[in-house]
Amino acid sequence: DGGITQSPKYLFRKEGQNVTLSCEQNLNHDAMYWYRQDPGQGLRLIYYSQIVNDFQKGDIAEGYSVSREKKESFPLTVTSAQKNPTAFYLCASSTMGLNTGELFFGEGSRLTVL
Amino acid sequence: ILNVEQSPQSLHVQEGDSTNFTCSFPSSNFYALHWYRWETAKSPEALFVMTLNGDEKKKGRISATLNTKEGYSYLYIKGSQPEDSATYLCAFASGYSTLTFGKGTMLLVSP
Repeated sequence: DGGITQSPKYLFRKEGQNVTLSCEQNLNHDAMYWYRQDPGQGLRLIYYSQIVNDFQKGDIAEGYSVSREKKESFPLTVTSAQKNPTAFYLCASSTMGLNTGELFFGEGSRLTVL
Repeated sequence: ILNVEQSPQSLHVQEGDSTNFTCSFPSSNFYALHWYRWETAKSPEALFVMTLNGDEKKKGRISATLNTKEGYSYLYIKGSQPEDSATYLCAFASGYSTLTFGKGTMLLVSP
């Protein structure tokens, strides 16, 4: 079945460690996105990529990094510079601009920093 | 920073009740308004992408309306069922590449 796969579902890390969240899609979508959810807040955009080898910062990019070496893959690294990394992270993709097309989401990864 | 507001924050209804939620968004620089349904332990799924003032869209018992001039959209659920229990998100597109999400309305439908 076509879709977006995020891994791991749950991740525990010690403070100061970098962690990488995986996002893979087999929908052949050009655009991919990373969102963060915190309690009581709307989804906030971290990074997005409209094409391979290109990506842009979203509203809360500080402390995060991404790469887009393949169309199917858009991994997110949470670095030690991210002050409050404990959160729920959602990856999404779209086949066209968001002025007409919808986002397709993965099931998310919950990161807890101890 | 764009402001997208959803109300109510949560709602508890009985099976068979009809209900509606509101999404308020900026009335300028409008590209589209999205609605998503997010069930617990699942991925958010798109319900509607609305682009024109006066748009009305329907999917089964769920429908939505759009007023871009005054900056609001309503989502209606007719005859709520327990399987409608979810968080409903709206998101405002002010361009081609990014969405600003509201905090969501959590709906619980009791049998």
